[in-house]
Amino acid sequence: AQSVTQLGSHVSVSEGALVLLRCNYSSSVPPYLFWYVQYPNQGLQLLLKYTTGATLVKGINGFEAEFKKSETSFHLTKPSAHMSDAAEYFCAVSSNQAGTALIFGKGTTLSVSS
Amino acid sequence: KAGVTQTPRYLIKTRGQQVTLSCSPISGHRSVSWYQQTPGQGLQFLFEYFSETQRNKGNFPGRFSGRQFSNSRSEMNVSTLELGDSALYLCASSPQGQVNEKLFFGSGTQLSVL
Repeated sequence: AQSVTQLGSHVSVSEGALVLLRCNYSSSVPPYLFWYVQYPNQGLQLLLKYTTGATLVKGINGFEAEFKKSETSFHLTKPSAHMSDAAEYFCAVSSNQAGTALIFGKGTTLSVSS
Repeated sequence: KAGVTQTPRYLIKTRGQQVTLSCSPISGHRSVSWYQQTPGQGLQFLFEYFSETQRNKGNFPGRFSGRQFSNSRSEMNVSTLELGDSALYLCASSPQGQVNEKLFFGSGTQLSVL
């Protein structure tokens, strides 16, 4: 069975500071990993995904994540936070056999202060 | 290109009633999947439809059902509503429902059960 654990339900950073959102997964098959962002009263938007190939994945809005199989992690980072990054972030895992059946973590709310 | 459209945006029902939610995918997308989002359980996969057939199913009781029409529009039905069914229901579409495709989410239908 697959599962996702996001460490920290709330993360607060100052504008311009490094953003680090942690995600660990469990999967008995090669995982496909995703980060989504949700703004208030909106649906989810894909930030980035790892399927195969390069383990460092770059996404939209300056975010990137690195797939580390040995650590079963897929942490999301951004070098410099912007006020507009304040939102809820979800890490998700899937398998090739169930491409749209994503298993999501509980989410991390990112707050950015000026 | 229009995005994923979900109607209605808000819905209030009472226990024991049934409800139908609608989702119109992006034009050309044949896969439609549904998710339930609650503060306690987070985001959970309900089911996926592809070419009018249910292809994947999550772990929800039989009160939750869905269907897809020949134009790829999908409906989700919940019968005998319970208080715990109060949630944001999200629909997502993709061209073929493959894991390497991008999922596009609608803004959701907020269901309140009184």
